[in-house]
Amino acid sequence: NAGVMQNPRHLVRRRGQEARLRCSPMKGHSHVYWYRQLPEEGLKFMVYLQKENIIDESGMPKERFSAEFPKEGPSILRIQQVVRGDSAAYFCASSAGSGNEQFFGPGTRLTVL
Amino acid sequence: GENVEQHPSTLSVQEGDSAVIKCTYSDSASNYFPWYKQELGKRPQLIIDIRSNVGEKKDQRIAVTLNKTAKHFSLHITETQPEDSAVYFCAAFYSSASKIIFGSGTRLSIRP
Repeated sequence: NAGVMQNPRHLVRRRGQEARLRCSPMKGHSHVYWYRQLPEEGLKFMVYLQKENIIDESGMPKERFSAEFPKEGPSILRIQQVVRGDSAAYFCASSAGSGNEQFFGPGTRLTVL
Repeated sequence: GENVEQHPSTLSVQEGDSAVIKCTYSDSASNYFPWYKQELGKRPQLIIDIRSNVGEKKDQRIAVTLNKTAKHFSLHITETQPEDSAVYFCAAFYSSASKIIFGSGTRLSIRP
């Protein structure tokens, strides 16, 4: 059973470009969470999705950021017009239910030049 | 509000000694409390969790205690080893928000 997959593992973008981060949950998991982590800091919740639905996006900036989890395919976190402050590690986690263990992916390290 | 307080933020202990990390939560309906370990450059990984129907759980050198009345829970690591050096995150499931809320993390360093 493959774990949570994220790609790319490293992404470099110039200011103003778009970043698209992908997350494939563990088999059988329909709950996906995205977190952002700055160096030496904690996990900041961004968004919680179930298949085709955004359950909670209270941690995600209203501008430039969007997330989806379509019926088929991976969950996507999209950052438009990236700025240097977007540089961080973005982790996705999945679970079988909202109160169940979350399994984390390896993260995508985004660097904005 | 939805919050999990974690202390201390950094902790340094001599190899072989014990380490204790404490967390508090505010939702009395919370019933699931996982602990994650994150090594440098790696993903967070679950090391132990406890549900509200028990007060203590142990797995080799790691134990977690839960006091539901006081709304706090703790991680205990005994006979610490160099490989225990990492950042540890506590978390609590907030049923009101249907999501797990993480503490701010504790950076544990083991001195040889």
